[in-house]
Amino acid sequence: NFMLTQPRSVSESPGKTVIISCTRSSGSIASTYVQWYQQRPGSAPTTVIYEDIQRPSGVPDRFSGSIDSSSNSASLTISGLKTEDEADYYCRSYDTNSQVVFGGGTKLTVL
Amino acid sequence: EVQLVESGGGLVKPGGSLRLSCAASGFNFYSYNMNWVRQAPGKGLEWVSSISGSSSYIYYADSVKGRFTISRDNAKNSLYLQMNTLRADDTAVYYCVRGERSLFDYWGQGTLVTVSS
Repeated sequence: NFMLTQPRSVSESPGKTVIISCTRSSGSIASTYVQWYQQRPGSAPTTVIYEDIQRPSGVPDRFSGSIDSSSNSASLTISGLKTEDEADYYCRSYDTNSQVVFGGGTKLTVL
Repeated sequence: EVQLVESGGGLVKPGGSLRLSCAASGFNFYSYNMNWVRQAPGKGLEWVSSISGSSSYIYYADSVKGRFTISRDNAKNSLYLQMNTLRADDTAVYYCVRGERSLFDYWGQGTLVTVSS
């Protein structure tokens, strides 16, 4: 099975842009879809990106997803940061045997 | 409105058993794959198990294989997780999650399982 590696934490100021990476350890990042979740303290996760780049209805267009085959990674970009974006973010994918893999999570601080 | 409500969590001794339930409403339950995902205190998310709508396909994480059993009752719109031979590292909030491999779209609020003597 593969692993998804995320930075433990990132921080940025309100109004700026932050990029959170998710690197796949083996196999192509493009071979299966990546999803991104936001989890605020004490709450269940919610989806902010699915199928690599798709945004569910209700998620602001400040959130975008991408994949980069050269670095074998996916990225979540949040632009125009707001204090309400402060949360933990997780990437998730799966393998061809339907084993689901989560990244370790990234704590975003907006200061 | 889609709702997923977990129940059955609690304190159990190492080696013990527990059965979690998830009551689903607001959608055609039988049409959707369902999943269990857990989160140990202060830790990240860990996928536990998935089951297809007809129960034809079932998958487990290696960490629970042989100890946990996922099942569903489409007539009762319910998902279950039978957990046996529980260990301290099974302590977590267990979430019931609707969705396919490429999209886990709805999550319950979770039920806490604590394994301790």
